[in-house]
Formats: sequence, structure tokens, C-alpha cells
Amino acid sequence: ETGVTQTPRHLVMGMTNKKSLKCEQHLGHNAMYWYKQSAKKPLELMFVYNFKEQTENNSVPSRFSPECPNSSHLFLHLHTLQPEDSALYLCASSQKEGGAHTGELFFGEGSRLTVL
Amino acid sequence: GESVGLHLPTLSVQEGDNSIINCAYSNSASDYFIWYKQESGKGPQFIIDIRSNMDKRQGQRVTVLLNKTVKHLSLQIAATQPGDSAVYFCAENQTGRRALTFGSGTRLQVQP
Repeated sequence: ETGVTQTPRHLVMGMTNKKSLKCEQHLGHNAMYWYKQSAKKPLELMFVYNFKEQTENNSVPSRFSPECPNSSHLFLHLHTLQPEDSALYLCASSQKEGGAHTGELFFGEGSRLTVL
Repeated sequence: GESVGLHLPTLSVQEGDNSIINCAYSNSASDYFIWYKQESGKGPQFIIDIRSNMDKRQGQRVTVLLNKTVKHLSLQIAATQPGDSAVYFCAENQTGRRALTFGSGTRLQVQP
């Protein structure tokens, strides 16, 4: 149990579908992140939220739309995705933005997305 | 541009041996480094971290060494066990940046 819970763990969707990934953290952290993990690539930062406010969008296509209603919940809304978007999407949280000065990022177990 | 990279994609060791996983970084302003372990089907888990004002830090069976002169980071695992089999990532950050930057990972395989 990592304290960061992601649902669903697995998702298969067509290119015209609309779906959402959910992340919830039970650690009392103030910053939350979406990372994308593709095969043989480094983890790619997508979005950063600090106290519910988006502070970083790492040039992510608009077919990915994040939402952070409060410091404990983070969503990633998916629409009109492409097969190359198939990947493991990891949510993380940290006490403070940056994940550095308070020690670390805490990751969820990821949502494995397959786009057909 | 900035990058964090790993020298070897796969490292195979015998159970009981020591393992050394290396990482190079390019950002001379990086002041914080972390090693993560990711087992199959799981998210990355924190192993150990080190700040740039240190060159060595020890944990339980793990040691991280930082050489700022050559921008090199290593993770040493003593008496490697089958449960250590995983992908290991280094990551770095610098004061003021919003998130960690990760390397591409090294797969550690422990042979019984």
C-alpha cells in the first residue's frame, strides 16, 4: 500500500472513446503529478498540480485533460487518443512541489492504458 | 538539453554478489538525486536519496555515491537478493524546478 491509489489499473479504449483515470492520495500531500511511462523510455512528466493549481504542463497534447478538484484527487481525462498514447500512466504526490526538499515522490501503481 | 541517462540497460548478477548501477546526468545545477526501484506491475518506489552537498549516503544494504565532478551517480546494493530484481531509475532535480527528471532505467536480474 503506497498511499497513492490509481483506478482503473487497466483500461482498453478505442480512439473515439472518452475515459478518465483517477488518482487519490491519502498522505496529506499538497502536490500531485501525472507521469507517462512508455516502453524503453524515461518517465515523462505530463502535469504538476500544487495546492490544486496546475503549475506545469509539459507540452502535453490537448487530448489529455487533467483535473484536480482538491489536493487529494487528480484525474486525467482522455479523449480521441492515438495508439501511440498506449502506456502506463503514473500518478505521484509529494508534500511540496518538486518532490525534492521533502524527500521524494510517492507513486501509485499506475493505470495501464491500451488504445486500439 | 538536460538529460539523465543510465549506462547499461540490463545488469545480471549472482545472488549474494554486490551490484552497482550507474547513472550519468548532464545538469550541473542538479542538487538532489534519488534512486527508485520499480518491480513488474508496480509503481516506482523510493530507495535512497542524496543531496549535492554530500558524496556518499548509506541505507540498509544500499549506498549511493555522487561524483559531481564527472556528473555521475551510482547505486550499490550489497549481497543482492532475488527480491532486488527490478528496474532501477535515477532521478534528479534542482532547487526551483517543479518535478524530478528521470533516467531511462536499468533492469537488474538476480540469478539464483
